[in-house]
Amino acid sequence: DAKTTQPPSMDCAEGRAANLPCNHSTISGNEYVYWYRQIHSQGPQYIIHGLKNNETNEMASLIITEDRKSSTLILPHATLRDTAVYYCIVRVASPPGANSKLTFGKGITLSVRP
Amino acid sequence: NAGVTQTPKFQVLKTGQSMTLQCAQDMNHNSMYWYRQDPGMGLRLIYYSASEGTTDKGEVPNGYNVSRLNKREFSLRLESAAPSQTSVYFCAGARTGGYEQYFGPGTRLTVT
Repeated sequence: DAKTTQPPSMDCAEGRAANLPCNHSTISGNEYVYWYRQIHSQGPQYIIHGLKNNETNEMASLIITEDRKSSTLILPHATLRDTAVYYCIVRVASPPGANSKLTFGKGITLSVRP
Repeated sequence: NAGVTQTPKFQVLKTGQSMTLQCAQDMNHNSMYWYRQDPGMGLRLIYYSASEGTTDKGEVPNGYNVSRLNKREFSLRLESAAPSQTSVYFCAGARTGGYEQYFGPGTRLTVT
């Protein structure tokens, strides 16, 4: 699975968009980009994933560059409850029957300030 | 629908003691996982079970054993606890080949 690089931390103001970058320059054509987050003292929570196209769900948007070497997770209106560690993970799609283990790095700590 | 549950929530052991961490899911997941998380570090995979009846080692399996009791339950056993196993342990489940893993609330283990 490709390695990802994230800055260690960033902050944003409550109500503003939070744009979290991730670099995955060695990504292969069959590897997906996943984002998870971990709020303090809780288990990680799945946010979104994508392959090539931009994706949006009720939690966030995922923008993947055309060359797929980097991506950005966007929280459109950050709240204090979005303060967490955000993990960008790249892994190959699993064929049916295979495992789906994830490798977590250190992530980026997002602090949302009032 | 409880999702992924873990027991106990907290545990203190003395060096050399044994214990089993329990995990159960009611989401019909085929795959289940045990991770540990140490302060300031990301999650590291201990063991996983791709389907009922199979288990495989992850990154840090030494000192642990697992049992996939049935589709719902996946337990982690420490036979002889060591201070280096002080950590927060998370269990997770996923559909086979699924991209979304659902995590339990964690077990906070201290070994003195």
